[in-house]
Amino acid sequence: KQEVTQIPAALSVPEGENLVLNCSFTDSAIYNLQWFRQDPGKGLTSLLLIQSSQREQTSGRLNASLDKSSGRSTLYIAASQPGDSATYLCAVMNSGYSTLTFGKGTMLLVSP
Amino acid sequence: GAVVSQHPSWVICKSGTSVKIECRSLDFQATTMFWYRQFPKQSLMLMATSNEGSKATYEQGVEKDKFLINHASLTLSTLTVTSAHPEDSSFYICSANPGGRRDTQYFGPGTRLTVL
Repeated sequence: KQEVTQIPAALSVPEGENLVLNCSFTDSAIYNLQWFRQDPGKGLTSLLLIQSSQREQTSGRLNASLDKSSGRSTLYIAASQPGDSATYLCAVMNSGYSTLTFGKGTMLLVSP
Repeated sequence: GAVVSQHPSWVICKSGTSVKIECRSLDFQATTMFWYRQFPKQSLMLMATSNEGSKATYEQGVEKDKFLINHASLTLSTLTVTSAHPEDSSFYICSANPGGRRDTQYFGPGTRLTVL
């Protein structure tokens, strides 16, 4: 059974710092991996999707990498801003079917 | 495009009553929809997968007689929490696969259920 772990569980940084969020998964037979943002009491906003054949994806200040063989992904946020404060979720889509397995998330607080 | 809506966005009900939550794909046809539950500070846990016109597939540990799922059309799935109890209080989120696209899920905004 696929398990997804995110480290750290919470992170507090001053504005302007570059930071890295980590995600690991136990079964490397994945179809893709996706990073989401979730604001308190809200739904999910998709940030980046990496197909299993890809190594990284970039969108603005966000960069996500994928090392499928080692079961790891990182989300890099450059020049963090208070508006980046949210919970970041990592989810893997397992090969053969379209269900997603989520990690518990990293709660990020960026202070001015 | 690819918008999924949920209704209601929040609901408070008394213990023992039933609550229906709707999930709609607004601008695409969804052959498959998914229902997730999220407890505070926990991850999203898949409850069930529903395919239009057929019975839902429930994940292990999810009571199918308590969480009734109907996917009667390509744009609407409903989740009914029957005889709700306080422990059913949670954030329920649906997602939808656009027709023919198994690699993509579009998520709804979620429904906060509080059972008193």
